[in-house]
Amino acid sequence: AQSVSQHNHHVILSEAASLELGCNYSYGGTVNLFWYVQYPGQHLQLLLKYFSGDPLVKGIKGFEAEFIKSKFSFNLRKPSVQWSDTAEYFCAVNKGYGGSQGNLIFGKGTKLSVKP
Amino acid sequence: DAEITQSPRHKITETGRQVTLACHQTWNHNNMFWYRQDLGHGLRLIHYSYGVQDTNKGEVSDGYSVSRSNTEDLPLTLESAASSQTSVYFCASSWTGEETQYFGPGTRLLVL
Repeated sequence: AQSVSQHNHHVILSEAASLELGCNYSYGGTVNLFWYVQYPGQHLQLLLKYFSGDPLVKGIKGFEAEFIKSKFSFNLRKPSVQWSDTAEYFCAVNKGYGGSQGNLIFGKGTKLSVKP
Repeated sequence: DAEITQSPRHKITETGRQVTLACHQTWNHNNMFWYRQDLGHGLRLIHYSYGVQDTNKGEVSDGYSVSRSNTEDLPLTLESAASSQTSVYFCASSWTGEETQYFGPGTRLLVL
């Protein structure tokens, strides 16, 4: 069965520190990859996604992620975090059928706390 | 603006009672999903639907049911609520061919 692993349960950083959150998935075929963010008390919002093409994708609020197929990884990065980035981050995967539906498999999430 | 709404936002119920959580989207999306979010488990899929009259079981479907009588709504029913169903429930929807799912604000359910 497909699975998604997020390496860190809780990350604590100071403002201006660089961020990298790990995500690995188990499915060997074509995949679509997502990072969602959940700010405290709010619903999930899409941060960025990868379907095909350039493996380095840029999302909102200065976030980016790199798809490395050989490592089954889709790590999230941000060069300089802000206090407002405090949130929980979820990596998700679905099978890439080229336009048809696919159920999302979520990782367990990484809670990011940024100290002002 | 198109949106996805859930009601109620908070619910307290007793063990054994039937509970229905509503999800309504105005994007005209074909696909709708229900997830539960629990500490240490992330989001897990309960049920999903790819269109009117279509419903499918997800990873954690036991004790839950859904029905899809129109495009806009996918109500989730807990047939006999159990304390293990205390959770935050999120509804999501997506357009066929567009893999991104859009999430509702969530319903926090407490089963006593």
